[in-house]
Amino acid sequence: SYELTQPPSVSVSPGQTASITCSGDKLGDQYTSWYQQKPGQSPVLVIYQDFKRPSGIPERFSGSSSGNTATLNISGAQAMDEADYYCQAWDSSILYVFGTGTKVTVL
Amino acid sequence: QVHLVQSGADVKKPGASVKVSCKASGYTFISYYIHWVRQAPGQGLEWMGIINPSGGATNYAQKFEGRITMTRDTSTTTVYMELSSLRSEDTAIYYCARELRELGITLGSFDYWGQGTLVTVSS
Repeated sequence: SYELTQPPSVSVSPGQTASITCSGDKLGDQYTSWYQQKPGQSPVLVIYQDFKRPSGIPERFSGSSSGNTATLNISGAQAMDEADYYCQAWDSSILYVFGTGTKVTVL
Repeated sequence: QVHLVQSGADVKKPGASVKVSCKASGYTFISYYIHWVRQAPGQGLEWMGIINPSGGATNYAQKFEGRITMTRDTSTTTVYMELSSLRSEDTAIYYCARELRELGITLGSFDYWGQGTLVTVSS
């Protein structure tokens, strides 16, 4: 089965950039989405089609994808960005798959 | 605005079945696929399956084949997910989520989520 691997945790100082990677075989051939989930809340879509931001998502969230890796960057990280982040890929063969999740700490 | 409102928490015994509902509002129900995703306590997100509310066609993750059934009622704009032969490992929060569409094309992302339904399987 298809797997997406993320680092368990990422720490970032306020105002700095946090980078979260998502690795999977030929991931660049599929579209990657990213979700933010805060404790006790439902996930929120922050990036889709590798780099697009839904309405209402701050510009400090950006995404990219190439080869076997997709990356979510949070520029100028704020305390409110502390959350778990999940990547997710889709195509007709793998269907829908989530990454293992990354806990982002802003300190 | 778009809302997905799920049924309340449930407790089931091992071997039983659970049926979770997801009522959609604020958009054209038959135009958007609905997915079910679950999250065990302290764990990550796990995709379970998809239903097309227009014709009712479904596609399930292989892990759940034979135990899961997704249905919809267009008259009440509600989608249902039933999971049978429950075991303790099925204890989780179950979410319904709508698949994003742009210019009539589905994009494989989930733009709206329900509030989640905690299902506890315990003897």
